[in-house]
Amino acid sequence: QLQLQESGPGLVKPSETLSLTCTVSGGSISSGYYYWGWIRQSPGKGLEWIGSIHYSGSTYYDPSLKSRVTISVDTSKNRFSLRLSSVTAADTAVYYCARHTDRGTNMVYAFDIWGQGTMVTASS
Amino acid sequence: VLTQSPATLSLSPGERATLSCRASESVSSYLAWYQQKPGQAPRLLIYDASNRATGIPARFSGSGSGTDFTLTISSLEPEDFAVYYCQQRNKWPPLTFGGGTKVEIK
Repeated sequence: QLQLQESGPGLVKPSETLSLTCTVSGGSISSGYYYWGWIRQSPGKGLEWIGSIHYSGSTYYDPSLKSRVTISVDTSKNRFSLRLSSVTAADTAVYYCARHTDRGTNMVYAFDIWGQGTMVTASS
Repeated sequence: VLTQSPATLSLSPGERATLSCRASESVSSYLAWYQQKPGQAPRLLIYDASNRATGIPARFSGSGSGTDFTLTISSLEPEDFAVYYCQQRNKWPPLTFGGGTKVEIK
């Protein structure tokens, strides 16, 4: 079955760029029905959507993070990536990647498959 | 904005849990519910207000449309004590989550 796995550094210095990758296994990232998203959760807090990408390259970002976020896709490697620039302590969180859709019929219109999450700490 | 209430619900196993999610403007029926246990990723329970995701027990049900939504757990099992989040997908971006309701053992 489809699985997602986040990877990347667990520690990022303030003002630097956070970079994470989500590798998709057991299925193709190039399915036209799906978006591939990033969600984060600060310690003890709720869930925050960062942005999503379609395999075609179309991107969608949360307005509050848009100026610092870049999401890209590499269909040849079946993975997508997150870059968050100018990080501060407020960016310390568990970062999840997840699949979602709002297309087609008889689909599950929500984040139906999630990675296990990866903790990223912004600290010097 | 999605507002969940109560923030914490203290119940005993076997009791009925009723969780609320209120949207600041209509999200039609485009609302999902997730369950999250400590150290785990969220798990999809309900999508489009009332559709159970694959493998979700029938004791979980969702209702509502427009601005007011409810997640009901008909009889709490020990494994149901967790945090629950609602999430809307109407006219995205952005996709937004509620602040969560913690269901704890009384």
